[in-house]
Amino acid sequence: EAGVAQSPRYKIIEKRQSVAFWCNPISGHATLYWYQQILGQGPKLLIQFQNNGVVDDSQLPKDRFSAERLKGVDSTLKIQPAKLEDSAVYLCASSKDRGPYNEQFFGPGTRLTVL
Amino acid sequence: GDSVTQMEGPVTLSEEAFLTINCTYTATGYPSLFWYVQYPGEGLQLLLKATKADDKGSNKGFEATYRKETTSFHLEKGSVQVSDSAVYFCALSPQGGSEKLVFGKGMKLTVNP
Repeated sequence: EAGVAQSPRYKIIEKRQSVAFWCNPISGHATLYWYQQILGQGPKLLIQFQNNGVVDDSQLPKDRFSAERLKGVDSTLKIQPAKLEDSAVYLCASSKDRGPYNEQFFGPGTRLTVL
Repeated sequence: GDSVTQMEGPVTLSEEAFLTINCTYTATGYPSLFWYVQYPGEGLQLLLKATKADDKGSNKGFEATYRKETTSFHLEKGSVQVSDSAVYFCALSPQGGSEKLVFGKGMKLTVNP
């Protein structure tokens, strides 16, 4: 079974530029998560989707971050405009369904550097 | 709010040494508790979990017991190997069916032969 795919793996941009990350979850997984992991810290949930609907986006900085999962499969996370403090690894995870009994499977992440 | 505090590293051990990584949490009710591991160059993987008080999670020689009275979920292994070198994260999922994971800061472990 293929794992969670993310691209690109690395991205370097200048502040105020835009960037987009893509995630393809494990086939059949209804729930998709985006986490932000700043160096030296644990991952922090940005947004959670159930199929193509948003379950939790309370920690998403909506003035600059947006995410979509239009067909309930793959997802895109966008930052516009980027700030220096957005430098982090962006992790995508998926699970079969909602609930803590459904294991979250993580992708390899996209490392973003904002100069 | 919900939070996880775990022992800070980095930690370096010799092969076959005993490992303990402390983890305590703050949460209302009975959260589910997890240990995740991140091997060099790889994504986060679930190592073990416990969903109620006094449950013991175990996998690959690692164990952790959910202690409600001390709000702790310490990770232990009796004899570490070089292949256990990784970053270890303690995490919780709040009670009530929420699936959000709240992570600690992680601890880097290096095991030398």
